Amino acid sequence: DAKTTQPPSMDCAEGRAANLPCNHSTISGNEYVYWYRQIHSQGPQYIIHGLKNNETNEMASLIITEDRKSSTLILPHATLRDTAVYYCIVGLNYGGSQGNLIFGKGTKLSVKP
Amino acid sequence: DAGVIQSPRHEVTEMGQEVTLRCKPISGHDYLFWYRQTMMRGLELLIYFNNNVPIDDSGMPEDRFSAKMPNASFSTLKIQPSEPRDSAVYFCASSRAETQYFGPGTRLLVL
Repeated sequence: DAKTTQPPSMDCAEGRAANLPCNHSTISGNEYVYWYRQIHSQGPQYIIHGLKNNETNEMASLIITEDRKSSTLILPHATLRDTAVYYCIVGLNYGGSQGNLIFGKGTKLSVKP
Repeated sequence: DAGVIQSPRHEVTEMGQEVTLRCKPISGHDYLFWYRQTMMRGLELLIYFNNNVPIDDSGMPEDRFSAKMPNASFSTLKIQPSEPRDSAVYFCASSRAETQYFGPGTRLLVL
């Protein structure tokens, strides 16, 4: 079973920030929070990951609460091309640990004009 | 880099036939993963390799499924004999560290 809980769907207006929440209350101290997304008919795409500090890259920002039981993925200026299913996953941070990641149902984000 | 390459992109076959899916990982990546995605079960890990050696095949549904990685640049997933319930999108992914890069997938339809 997935270790995370995400809303099944969300809408966002184009150009606005999309804030995608994720609950991971059972996360252990050495587990990271990963975000992937899957655009329709494509393979999943890595977005960002973090342990406890907030992270930012060219795609998104990741805000992790101090108790690490939840996090938020922020797409600062959503475009129509950001419409996708977003997966929040917790797991360890080494190559082989990728084999233990569980992709749940994710959140279907619809960006609307 | 061209990314992870999978072939064929689409495959339609009849029940009982052998199906072979192919994957070329990103050069330099030492982990390779095979996934299956269906509407009912979502994205499931079937097997993964490290340095061409199978590490965990607990997700392989049954003996009809087999996977090989003869060298660092090529892997196959074979289904023999295929059944209609094997219809799904099969993804290959490769990794060097803590992130995976997925291929475009092979859409398999078994009639």
